[in-house]
Amino acid sequence: EAGVAQSPRYKIIEKRQSVAFWCNPISGHATLYWYQQILGQGPKLLIQFQNNGVVDDSQLPKDRFSAERLKGVDSTLKIQPAKLEDSAVYLCASSLKNSGGSYGYTFGSGTRLTVV
Amino acid sequence: GQQVMQIPQYQHVQEGEDFTTYCNSSTTLSNIQWYKQRPGGHPVFLIQLVKSGEVKKQKRLTFQFGEAKKNSSLHITATQTTDVGTYFCAGFNNAGGTSYGKLTFGQGTILTVHP
Repeated sequence: EAGVAQSPRYKIIEKRQSVAFWCNPISGHATLYWYQQILGQGPKLLIQFQNNGVVDDSQLPKDRFSAERLKGVDSTLKIQPAKLEDSAVYLCASSLKNSGGSYGYTFGSGTRLTVV
Repeated sequence: GQQVMQIPQYQHVQEGEDFTTYCNSSTTLSNIQWYKQRPGGHPVFLIQLVKSGEVKKQKRLTFQFGEAKKNSSLHITATQTTDVGTYFCAGFNNAGGTSYGKLTFGQGTILTVHP
């Protein structure tokens, strides 16, 4: 079974520029998550989709971050404009069940963003 | 909002010694999950605990869920160098009665093992 695919693996941008990340979840996983992991911290949920609908975006900085999952499969996360504090690893995850279940959440390899 | 705290932040052990990390939630959880993240890697699911007082074992790893479903622990017996990484607990809560809940991660415990 293929895992969660993410691209790019690394991105370096200047502050105030824009950037986009892409994620393709495991086939059949209706729930997709974007997490932000700052160095030395645990992952923090940014947004959660069920199929193509948003079910939780309470921690997404909506003035600069946006995300979509138009066809209920792959998803993009965008930052515009980026700030220095956005430097982090952006992890996409998917799951069969929102509660986790026997297989939990499957994470992709992440995109390491550096804002200079 | 829900907070999940883990201690210790770091743990250095000699190979063969035991290791324990503890997790506490500010709210009662529907379930708790444990993940391992190797250096430079991404979190990988280890296990989920659902029932009050539940204990599960995976080889040298023992996971416990507290009676009040607000705390948990992970114990590794006789650590090996392959155990190196960051161990995260993550609490799942949909106590608000909504259809969808949220998985909140602790800050993790970084384990280093000296051969």
